[in-house]
Amino acid sequence: GEQVEQRPPHLSVREGDSAFITCTYTDPNSYYFFWYKQEPGASLQLLMKVFSSTEINEGQGFTVLLNKKDKRLSLNLTAAHPGDSAAYFCAVIDRGSALGRLHFGAGTQLIVIP
Amino acid sequence: NSKVIQTPRYLVKGQGQKAKMRCIPEKGHPVVFWYQQNKNNEFKFLINFQNQEVLQQIDMTEKRFSAECPSNSPCSLEIQSSEAGDSALYLCASSLGASGNTLYFGEGSRLIVV
Repeated sequence: GEQVEQRPPHLSVREGDSAFITCTYTDPNSYYFFWYKQEPGASLQLLMKVFSSTEINEGQGFTVLLNKKDKRLSLNLTAAHPGDSAAYFCAVIDRGSALGRLHFGAGTQLIVIP
Repeated sequence: NSKVIQTPRYLVKGQGQKAKMRCIPEKGHPVVFWYQQNKNNEFKFLINFQNQEVLQQIDMTEKRFSAECPSNSPCSLEIQSSEAGDSALYLCASSLGASGNTLYFGEGSRLIVV
């Protein structure tokens, strides 16, 4: 089945710097990709849903890159601010998962230092 | 602000006790998922429903959990006999469809088994 590996597990950056998080997946048939943000005690908040046909996806203050050849999904928070401090999770749906099950990465705990 | 409503936010149970959690999916979402997030931030899919029907569940859920999504009532997940290893955050999510649709998560029910 699908295996999703997320790096790094912990990341500290200074305010204004970029924060880069990467996930690799194993199933070449994966076709939907997600980034979620989870603040302490809060729900998983959807940052972006990416389709397999789109390699570069711009959000508000971040960019998501999908490299299908390398089976890699990346989240780049540009000019991070303290409000970005949270846990970030990638998630993948593969074509075999017709029932919509997400395969999650292990998460990255991001701290943005003022 | 999460539109998926989970109750209770916290519950503390002794080993062997029943633990029941409820979820009201986002309005108009026929598909409901339950995930377990452990202290290492690892997500485990437990079960999903489309309307009142179970789509898929793992062995553990089949043997030790009782789950349902009755019409016009909250969905529920109940552990029949709590074990220490069940201590985790239980997340409910809903979506418009099972295949490839975005999952929207509730804030979770945190279970502590003492």
